[in-house]
Amino acid sequence: GAGVSQTPSNKVTEKGKYVELRCDPISGHTALYWYRQSLGQGPEFLIYFQGTGAADDSGLPNDRFFAVRPEGSVSTLKIQRTERGDSAVYLCASSLGTRNEQFFGPGTRLTVL
Amino acid sequence: GQQVMQIPQYQHVQEGEDFTTYCNSSTTLSNIQWYKQRPGGHPVFLIQLVKSGEVKKQKRLTFQFGEAKKNSSLHITATQTTDVGTYFCAGGAQKLVFGQGTRLTINP
Repeated sequence: GAGVSQTPSNKVTEKGKYVELRCDPISGHTALYWYRQSLGQGPEFLIYFQGTGAADDSGLPNDRFFAVRPEGSVSTLKIQRTERGDSAVYLCASSLGTRNEQFFGPGTRLTVL
Repeated sequence: GQQVMQIPQYQHVQEGEDFTTYCNSSTTLSNIQWYKQRPGGHPVFLIQLVKSGEVKKQKRLTFQFGEAKKNSSLHITATQTTDVGTYFCAGGAQKLVFGQGTRLTINP
């Protein structure tokens, strides 16, 4: 594909529900990152993958958040028992290597009611 | 943990005026990247600086990395309405730590 794609673009859910956010990186990019951006703030690192493995998940706020990348391409960010404070734009980025520029997707706007 | 601060938070200029945003890190950075985010858009990579004291130019944009590799700046000469957006610096190798950004608005 031409760029990083993310689905859905918008997700509205109720407090306590489970959500999955999908990221399709640029073909051939081995590194994949998840960030969260709140209004008026910079992106906040959540987790990054090098291939299939999570190389650094230190940014995940708690154990309700989990991410996978089973085949080293598409990644899914999973949030259990959503809370209103989880509302934000979730950004995915990919790069050719871990020290290269990161290409961001359009994001998924998550709203927890 | 590492913190990256940016100032100013907002800047409003007349078209044609210059603009500068400053970035400071609490720790020495291996490299620094700059991104631009248009209103309603996603961050778009502008440049990466790696060497101490490095200066890079892209047309009207000049990027500097401090000698101690703890600060950086972005200067735009003669702003145009297309420069509107939020400019973020981000430090780190794999795990980027972003500043809070400087939002630039321009009066045409």
